[in-house]
Amino acid sequence: AQSVTQLDSHVSVSEGTPVLLRCNYSSSYSPSLFWYVQHPNKGLQLLLKYTSAATLVKGINGFEAEFKKSETSFHLTKPSAHMSDAAEYFCVVMNNAGNNRKLIWGLGTSLAVNP
Amino acid sequence: EAQVTQNPRYLITVTGKKLTVTCSQNMNHEYMSWYRQDPGLGLRQIYYSMNVEVTDKGDVPEGYKVSRKEKRNFPLILESPSPNQTSLYFCASSLLAGITDTQYFGPGTRLTVL
Repeated sequence: AQSVTQLDSHVSVSEGTPVLLRCNYSSSYSPSLFWYVQHPNKGLQLLLKYTSAATLVKGINGFEAEFKKSETSFHLTKPSAHMSDAAEYFCVVMNNAGNNRKLIWGLGTSLAVNP
Repeated sequence: EAQVTQNPRYLITVTGKKLTVTCSQNMNHEYMSWYRQDPGLGLRQIYYSMNVEVTDKGDVPEGYKVSRKEKRNFPLILESPSPNQTSLYFCASSLLAGITDTQYFGPGTRLTVL
């Protein structure tokens, strides 16, 4: 069975400092991995996705993630946090078995950015 | 603008009163899906649809129905809502059901069942 584990439920950084949100995955197949962001009272927006091409994936708003098969990790990073980055971040793996492309979600990491 | 829309965005209702949450996409997507989001449980799939007239259960289908009579619409029906269906609901769609296809989400519907 596929799953994702977000290692931190809450991360707090200062504006202008780097962001690291950690995610480990479990998958019997070559995984398709995603990071989504949810701002307060907003919908779910795709930040980036990995689908077995380049292991370093660049997304929107300066975020990127690196797929490391040996570590079964897909951590999300950003060099310099902005106040507008404060949100809930979800690491997601797509079900690759059968026809159902359901997304299997981590429980989220709440990112706080302090001035 | 390419988008997934949901209506209503907010709904407060009472136990047993049938309701429908609509979902519509204007991207000609074949694959559509419903999720619910609950604190501590994350997002879980309720139902999905591979194409018109093809629907199947997800992980938490009890108490829900869906239909897919047109490609663009995928309504979620609660025939007899109960308080444990109080949740935030999201509709999603993707062009196909491929492993590289991005799923796009609607804005969410916050449902409260009293």
